[in-house]
Amino acid sequence: DVKVTQSSRYLVKRTGEKVFLECVQDMDHENMFWYRQDPGLGLRLIYFSYDVKMKEKGDIPEGYSVSREKKERFSLILESASTNQTSMYLCASSWDNRDMNTEAFFGQGTRLTVV
Amino acid sequence: SQKIEQNSEALNIQEGKTATLTCNYTNYSPAYLQWYRQDPGRGPVFLLLIRENEKEKRKERLKVTFDTTLKQSLFHITASQPADSATYLCALGMGGFKTIFGAGTRLFVKA
Repeated sequence: DVKVTQSSRYLVKRTGEKVFLECVQDMDHENMFWYRQDPGLGLRLIYFSYDVKMKEKGDIPEGYSVSREKKERFSLILESASTNQTSMYLCASSWDNRDMNTEAFFGQGTRLTVV
Repeated sequence: SQKIEQNSEALNIQEGKTATLTCNYTNYSPAYLQWYRQDPGRGPVFLLLIRENEKEKRKERLKVTFDTTLKQSLFHITASQPADSATYLCALGMGGFKTIFGAGTRLFVKA
């Protein structure tokens, strides 16, 4: 069974802390994504990566950075957590298909609360 | 910029009826459109993809239509069951790596 696994289901962090969210996929997918989901706003893309060590900004990259040192792992970093980063974070992966994109496989999500 | 509208009000239907969810978009038509199911506290799960040159797609009790003139997709669940209760997300594939997700519509199926 294909899987995208996020390291934590729930996290509580203090304002100003550096936060790491980890995501691992076992499908050998080229593409990996980080989204945040807030009520009424849908999923918003933070960053994505189409290859190892490659990254591209999404729609809301401010306050975040990412790392992809290995194909199966994509990390989201909150440099200095703030209360407005309290949200559900979702990692996803997909095959590379530049002409016609394919379905995304999502992890179970990490509910982050910044206090 | 491209926008997606899904009915923010929950849809309540009786078991056995057909549920119909709507996804409207503005501006230019996407290369494809996807529908996902999301259960509370879980990540979305892919259901169906329909491309811009397709009018209709079916999978078991699910049917998706895509009308580029109306800029609308309809998602149907026939013979609905309480287990179909979830939030359904529409996602527009704009080509390349760009996918835009709607906020979703909550469906409740009563026994």
